[in-house]
Order: sequence, then structure tokens, then C-alpha cells
Amino acid sequence: ELKVEQNPLFLSMQEGKNYTIYCNYSTTSDRLYWYRQDPGKSLESLFVLLSNGAVKQEGRLMASLDTKARLSTLHITAAVHDLSATYFCAVDPYYGGSQGNLIFGKGTKLSVKP
Amino acid sequence: DTAVSQTPKYLVTQMGNDKSIKCEQNLGHDTMYWYKQDSKKFLKIMFSYNNKELIINETVPNRFSPKSPDKAHLNLHINSLELGDSAVYFCASSQALGAMNTEAFFGQGTRLTVV
Repeated sequence: ELKVEQNPLFLSMQEGKNYTIYCNYSTTSDRLYWYRQDPGKSLESLFVLLSNGAVKQEGRLMASLDTKARLSTLHITAAVHDLSATYFCAVDPYYGGSQGNLIFGKGTKLSVKP
Repeated sequence: DTAVSQTPKYLVTQMGNDKSIKCEQNLGHDTMYWYKQDSKKFLKIMFSYNNKELIINETVPNRFSPKSPDKAHLNLHINSLELGDSAVYFCASSQALGAMNTEAFFGQGTRLTVV
């Protein structure tokens, strides 16, 4: 059974600082997704990573995928309050072929303070 | 236009009742899902349908029955509601199975409270 582990689960940062959220998964996969969820809201897709070495950047967030290490990172640069949310990584567990369902990590609740 | 819409957004009901949640997507996707998010925010797949056909049925009580009248709709019917069913239920859709990109697009969620 695929396990997806995120750490940390809680992250309190000061504005302007950098930090990285880690997502490890337990079986081979070449599809990994990052989502953002604001309190009481739905999940918003942030990044789609579909190959080893994929790197995507959007504003202050950058995501990468290392399929050999079974690791994805979400790096936050110069955090601002607007980034406060819960971030989920999700893995498609079927390497090469897919049933499409995503297995989610437990989420990282990020709080950016002034 | 909302890509994945589900109704109702909030649902408060008594134990033992039967209720339904509706979901529609206008993205032209072939695959639709129901996910459950518990009080600790953990998200777990419940069902997956591809072109109206059930693909995944995780360990979910048979009081939960999905129905897909066409590939744009996936409804969730719950019988004999229990307190433990209280959660947020998310509908989602993605491109066809076998697509390289299986990114899921989520509805706004239905917060179900059983009292």
C-alpha cells in the first residue's frame, strides 16, 4: 500500500524567511501533485510534476520531484502572510499506468507571521 | 463557470436519515471521484468512476452508494447516517484513465454534520 508522508505537519514561519516542505512516498511513481487548501475551502492545484527531475515555480513557491529518491519538495522563498494555508502533496500510485486516484499526504499547515 | 460543482455545500441531518450529495463537472473529464476529508484534514479516496463505470471502491460501508448517470455527474447517496459520517466530502474529476496527467480538480466540498 502506498504511503505518502509529509513533514513537517505544522510550520510557523516569519515573513521573509525560506523553508522547505518534504513529501516522501513509499512506492514507485512518476506523478506527483501539490495542492493548497485555505480554511473551509476546496483544494487548489498548485503544481503538476510528471517526471524525474521536474521543477516548477510559481511566485514564491517552487516544487521539485526526484522519483529515484521518491521525494518531492515544496520550497517557500521569502514567505508572506498570503501563503498561510495547508499544503498537500498527492501521489498517483500506479507507475506507468494509472487508475487516477491520488493518495494524499496528511498536509502541512503553514502559518506565516509578520 | 464552476468546473466541478457539488451541492449542497452544507448538510446537517439526524442520525438514521438518508441523504444525497450531487456533483457535476463541465471539464469534459472521463473520471470522477469522491474523497472524504476527516476532522484532522486527512483526505482519502472513497470511489472512482471512469466513464460511468466504477473503478475503485475503497473500504467504505455499503451505506454509501455512488451513482453516475453520465460521465459528467457522480452523486453520492448515504443511507442510515451515523455520527462518524460527519466530514467534508469532496467530488473531483480528472482526465481519462491512461492520461499522463491525472491532476484532480476538486469541487467546493460538502460539509456533512450528523447530529
